[in-house]
Amino acid sequence: QKEVEQNSGPLSVPEGAIASLNCTYSDRVSQSFFWYRQYSGKSPELIMSIYSNGDKEDGRFTAQLNKASQYVSLLIRDSQPSDSATYLCVAGTASKLTFGTGTRLQVTL
Amino acid sequence: GAGVSQSPSNKVTEKGKDVELRCDPISGHTALYWYRQSLGQGLEFLIYFQGNSAPDKSGLPSDRFSAERTGGSVSTLTIQRTQQEDSAVYLCASSLAGGVTETQYFGPGTRLLVL
Repeated sequence: QKEVEQNSGPLSVPEGAIASLNCTYSDRVSQSFFWYRQYSGKSPELIMSIYSNGDKEDGRFTAQLNKASQYVSLLIRDSQPSDSATYLCVAGTASKLTFGTGTRLQVTL
Repeated sequence: GAGVSQSPSNKVTEKGKDVELRCDPISGHTALYWYRQSLGQGLEFLIYFQGNSAPDKSGLPSDRFSAERTGGSVSTLTIQRTQQEDSAVYLCASSLAGGVTETQYFGPGTRLLVL
C-alpha cells in the first residue's frame, strides 16, 4: 500500500508566525510532489509543486523535498487567518497521485 | 467554461438505487480523474481517462462503479445499487495532459448521501 502520511492536526499558529507542515511518503519511486489547500466544504486547489531535492519558494510559501528521507514539507511565512484550511500532501508516481489525509491549519488572531 | 463543473452538487438517494454523477472538464484538457473523499479521509483515486487511451480503472472499489467519457470531454460516474458506505464527496479533476507533473484542477464535487 503506497501511502502519504500527515499529522491530522489541528496545527495552531498565531497570525504572523511561520507554519510548518510535514509529510512522509512510502513509495521511493514517487517523482512529483504537491501541496493542495482545501477550505472546508470546498475542493482542493494547488499551492505548490516540487520535483527535485531542495527548496522551492513562491511568495510566502516554501516547499522542501528530501527524497533520501522521503520527506516533504511546506512552510508558510507570515501566516494569515485566510491560510486556515486543510493542507493535502500529494505524491505522484507514474500516472497516479496519492493524497495524504491532510493537516488542518488554524491561524489565530 | 472557466473551470471544472460537476452536477449535481448534492444527491440524496436510497440504498439500492443507481446514481449518475457528471463531470465537465476544462475545455482542451485531455486528462480526467475521478476521486472520492469520505469524511476525515484523504482523496481516494477511482479512475483516470487520458485522451483516447483505455481508462485506468484500478481505483474503482467494486464492479458497482463504472465511468465513461464521451467524445473525450464530459464524463459520467455511475454507481449501481448504492450502499451507505458509498456516501462521500465525489471529486472530478482535469489536467491539460496526463502525467504526474501536470496540475490537476478540481471541480466543486458532488456530495452523495445514501440513506
